[in-house]
Amino acid sequence: DVKVTQSSRYLVKRTGEKVFLECVQDMDHENMFWYRQDPGLGLRLIYFSYDVKMKEKGDIPEGYSVSREKKERFSLILESASTNQTSMYLCASRKVYLSLREGGTEAFFGQGTRLTVV
Amino acid sequence: AQTVTQSQPEMSVQEAETVTLSCTYDTSESNYYLFWYKQPPSRQMILVIRQEAYKQQNATENRFSVNFQKAAKSFSLKISDSQLGDTAMYFCAFSPLFQGAQKLVFGQGTRLTINP
Repeated sequence: DVKVTQSSRYLVKRTGEKVFLECVQDMDHENMFWYRQDPGLGLRLIYFSYDVKMKEKGDIPEGYSVSREKKERFSLILESASTNQTSMYLCASRKVYLSLREGGTEAFFGQGTRLTVV
Repeated sequence: AQTVTQSQPEMSVQEAETVTLSCTYDTSESNYYLFWYKQPPSRQMILVIRQEAYKQQNATENRFSVNFQKAAKSFSLKISDSQLGDTAMYFCAFSPLFQGAQKLVFGQGTRLTINP
């Protein structure tokens, strides 16, 4: 049974704290992603990584950073949490595809971390 | 940049009815994949169905089928004989081929409620 595991399901942090959201996958996938989910806005990509130590900014990277020291683990870091970062955070992994026929590979998601910054 | 638009924030139907969720997207790519994901109250995202843009035939998975109109850049999801367990958020997603890190671009979501 494939799995993407996020370290916390619910998290409450104070403004200004440094926050770590951890994600681990056991499928040996190259691609990993962090999305933020807000009502009416859907899922917005924060950062993604296509290899160990490789990362690229998504659509809303401001206020976030990431770390991928091992293939199976992708961490999202809020350097100084603010109330506007209160949201649901979803981690996903996806096998890299190298041909047209492989392009429909499924992305697997963790169960999300609902972060509240007070 | 690719964008995905779901224009129906909420929908509600009676059990056993058929419901269609709309999705449009914008891209200059000719090869890509489209997906529908379901997020039930448990929050676990589940793949419902996928469509290859280079295939004209619409994808089907049991009670779920799509109407893919490539020229119109439209990708709707039809759920037949709806069941209470279909109650969930539904997200349409676009995946470009051979570009960047093979990310998924999502729409805003449609909250579907199936009433008994």
